[in-house]
Formats: sequence, structure tokens, C-alpha cells
Amino acid sequence: GAGVSQSPSNKVTEKGKDVELRCDPISGHTALYWYRQSLGQGLEFLIYFQGNSAPDKSGLPSDRFSAERTGGSVSTLTIQRTQQEDSAVYLCASSLGNRGGETQYFGPGTRLLVL
Amino acid sequence: DQQVKQNSPSLSVQEGRISILNCDYTNSMFDYFLWYKKYPAEGPTFLISISSIKDKNEDGRFTVFLNKSAKHLSLHIVPSQPGDSAVYFCAAGSDYKLSFGAGTTVTVRA
Repeated sequence: GAGVSQSPSNKVTEKGKDVELRCDPISGHTALYWYRQSLGQGLEFLIYFQGNSAPDKSGLPSDRFSAERTGGSVSTLTIQRTQQEDSAVYLCASSLGNRGGETQYFGPGTRLLVL
Repeated sequence: DQQVKQNSPSLSVQEGRISILNCDYTNSMFDYFLWYKKYPAEGPTFLISISSIKDKNEDGRFTVFLNKSAKHLSLHIVPSQPGDSAVYFCAAGSDYKLSFGAGTTVTVRA
């Protein structure tokens, strides 16, 4: 079946503008994750959704970042008042959500550039 | 506070030889470990994993070794092929949360 998809693939925005990044997880996967990869860095955990449980937002770097997951499927990551340091690749992943230690499957990412 | 470290940013190996990628971690609560491979402009793809109760897992040309006392794991690729040229990320997890290393860029020379 289809893998994790993300849109847009690339986004260039001006400092101070808001952006929305979208993630469509693999069908049937109840767990969804957002990560950020800055240049030369590893993947940085941002937020985790599991079914109807309250999300784990512990990785969000500031209150300008928020995410929601509607209907247990599609997720949107919103960055308000973007700053240049927000420039990074934003990766979404999903997993079955049955247990800990599951393999996470990643989308191709959204490359965000804040000018 | 980086809990997973890949100290070699790059590795160059000749086709047919062994590639050895190393990874160190600090959190003793991690109970499973994974390696991901990433091509440019694509997301990471799962390669191989190992749980903390094992010290070795093999899948074709790929073998992951875990040394819990040293908090060290390694990935061996034998024999290396040109298509293995990519960035390799080590990841360590506890429950659902994964911590990633910064990656090692592998170049396989013909």
C-alpha cells in the first residue's frame, strides 16, 4: 500500500509568516510522529500522537509550534511567526501503534526555508 | 543533550569490502535500537533493528551488534555495494520515543 506522504515537499516563506505542513500516515497506523532535521543534525523528536490519547508534545521547541491530528489520520504541523532557525526538514512517521519498540515508517519530508 | 552519537560523519569504502558504522548511546533505559538509511530528498527507510535482549541480529548483508555494557552498537554491511551509498542513522528507543544520531555518510567506491 501507499507509504507516508507529506505536503508540500518544499516550502519557502518569509520570516514572521505562518506555515502549515501536512502528513498522511500509512492507512491503519494509529501512531504518528513529527521530527525535525536541521542541517548536519540528527532527527529531533517534536510530537507523538497515539489513537485518541493526549499527544506527547514534549519535543515542541516553542509555543509557536503546534500540531493536530484530525479523525485519527491526517496530521498538520503549524509553525506560527516563523523564524530563520525554523529552517529544516520536517519529517513525519507512522507506526501500527500496537506496542512500544515498533518500526516507524517515514515520509519524504517537507523542506522548509525561512528567509 | 545528545543521547545517541555517531562520531564518524563519513565513511568511504571500496565495493566488496566491509562497511562498519558505529553508534554510542548514554541512556541505559533504551531497550531497542534501529538503523535507518536515507537517500537525498527521501525520508529515512528502516534497515534493521535489535532489542536489548539480543547482542546480534542479521539480515542478509546487514548485521547489527549490540554491546550493552559499553552502550555501543555497530552496523556491518558485507559486501558493500554502490547502492549502499547513503546516510545511515542510528536510533535508540524506549517505548515509542526514538532518539537519533546525526548520521554517517557512506560512500562506496567502485
